[in-house]
Amino acid sequence: TQLLEQSPQFLSIQEGENLTVYCNSSSVFSSLQWYRQEPGEGPVLLVTVVTGGEVKKLKRLTFQFGDARKDSSLHITAAQPGDTGLYLCAGRNSNYQLIWGAGTKLIIKP
Amino acid sequence: EAQVTQNPRYLITVTGKKLTVTCSQNMNHEYMSWYRQDPGLGLRQIYYSMNVEVTDKGDVPEGYKVSRKEKRNFPLILESPSPNQTSLYFCASSSSGTGGETQYFGPGTRLLVL
Repeated sequence: TQLLEQSPQFLSIQEGENLTVYCNSSSVFSSLQWYRQEPGEGPVLLVTVVTGGEVKKLKRLTFQFGDARKDSSLHITAAQPGDTGLYLCAGRNSNYQLIWGAGTKLIIKP
Repeated sequence: EAQVTQNPRYLITVTGKKLTVTCSQNMNHEYMSWYRQDPGLGLRQIYYSMNVEVTDKGDVPEGYKVSRKEKRNFPLILESPSPNQTSLYFCASSSSGTGGETQYFGPGTRLLVL
C-alpha cells in the first residue's frame, strides 16, 4: 500500500513565525499537489508540482518537489492567522491514483 | 460560478435506513469521485467515475454504491448504513482523472449514523 506521510500532524505557532510541513513517501509520483482545507469546507488546490526539484512560490508559501519525486515540502514565511487550516498533500502514482496524506493541522495564533 | 454541490450538508439517520447523498458539478468534468474523511486518516476514496456509465471502486467501497447516468451527477448511495459509516463525505470532480489537473471539491456532507 502506498503511503504519503505528512509531518507534523499538528502545529500551533505565533503569527510572524516561519514553518515547514513535510510530505514523504517511498514511492515515486508523477505529480504532487498541496491543498488547504478550512473548517466546514472542501479542500482547495494550492499548487501542483511536476518536475523533480521544482520550486513554486505562492506569496509567502514556497512548495518544493524532491529531486526523486518522492517527497515535498511546504514552507510558510511570516505566518498569518489566515494561514490557519488543514494542509493536505496528494501524489499521483503510475496507476493514475491520487494518494493522500493524512494532513497537517496548522493554527496560527495572533 | 463553477462549483460542485452536495446535498444534504448534514444528515442524522439510523442504522439500516437507506440514504442517498447527491453530487452535481457544472464544469462538464469527466472525472468524479467520492471520499470520506476521518480524523487522522485523511481522505480515502470510496468510488470514482471516469465518465458516464463508468464507475470503479476506490480504497474503501464496502457498504456504498454509486451511479453515473449523467455527466454532471454522481450520487452516493448507502443501502444499509451502519455506525462505522459516520464520517465527513466529499464529492470531487476534475477534467480527467489522469494528470495533475485540479480537483474541485464540494462543501462536504456530515453524516451521523445512530
